[in-house]
Amino acid sequence: DAKTTQPNSMESNEEEPVHLPCNHSTISGTDYIHWYRQLPSQGPEYVIHGLTSNVNNRMASLAIAEDRKSSTLILHRATLRDAAVYYCILAGGTSYGKLTFGQGTILTVHP
Amino acid sequence: EAQVTQNPRYLITVTGKKLTVTCSQNMNHEYMSWYRQDPGLGLRQIYYSMNVEVTDKGDVPEGYKVSRKEKRNFPLILESPSPNQTSLYFCASSRTGTGGRIYTFGSGTRLTVV
Repeated sequence: DAKTTQPNSMESNEEEPVHLPCNHSTISGTDYIHWYRQLPSQGPEYVIHGLTSNVNNRMASLAIAEDRKSSTLILHRATLRDAAVYYCILAGGTSYGKLTFGQGTILTVHP
Repeated sequence: EAQVTQNPRYLITVTGKKLTVTCSQNMNHEYMSWYRQDPGLGLRQIYYSMNVEVTDKGDVPEGYKVSRKEKRNFPLILESPSPNQTSLYFCASSRTGTGGRIYTFGSGTRLTVV
């Protein structure tokens, strides 16, 4: 499985934008870029995913580099409820049906 | 509400006593999977199922069994639990398709084997 690299932790202030980076230099042409987050004491929760183009939904935006070797999850206005572990995951291609979780980025949001 | 339901949420058992953790989804998803989460090791896939009567091993299948007799249910069976199976377990489901599918996870089952 292609691997992703994320910072161990990041901090933000409430109501400020947050940019969570992810490197995936060995991504294959058929790999989708998924982002999930895990709030304390809960199961992982889908945030957003994309293949080549930037994506927006009600939770976040996903900016994908032109060469697809990196991506950034953007939370436009962080709230205290956004404090979680954020996972960047590559899925698809030969890893049919499987999400391989790394260590993720622990996001701390300060009031 | 579309959801994946796991039961029980918490379970303490003794070594060797067979147990089953249930997982049910109401979204008519073909694909279901079990993960365990351990500090420092992250989430690791135990077993998965592409559809009814189709199951396969994930990364850490030893000591576990699964069955998929109905589309909505995917129980995880520990026939002889051992302390190293103390962990937080998550069930997930998704619609089979391309790599763009979305997974829904349950709330987790915290298992302690003493």
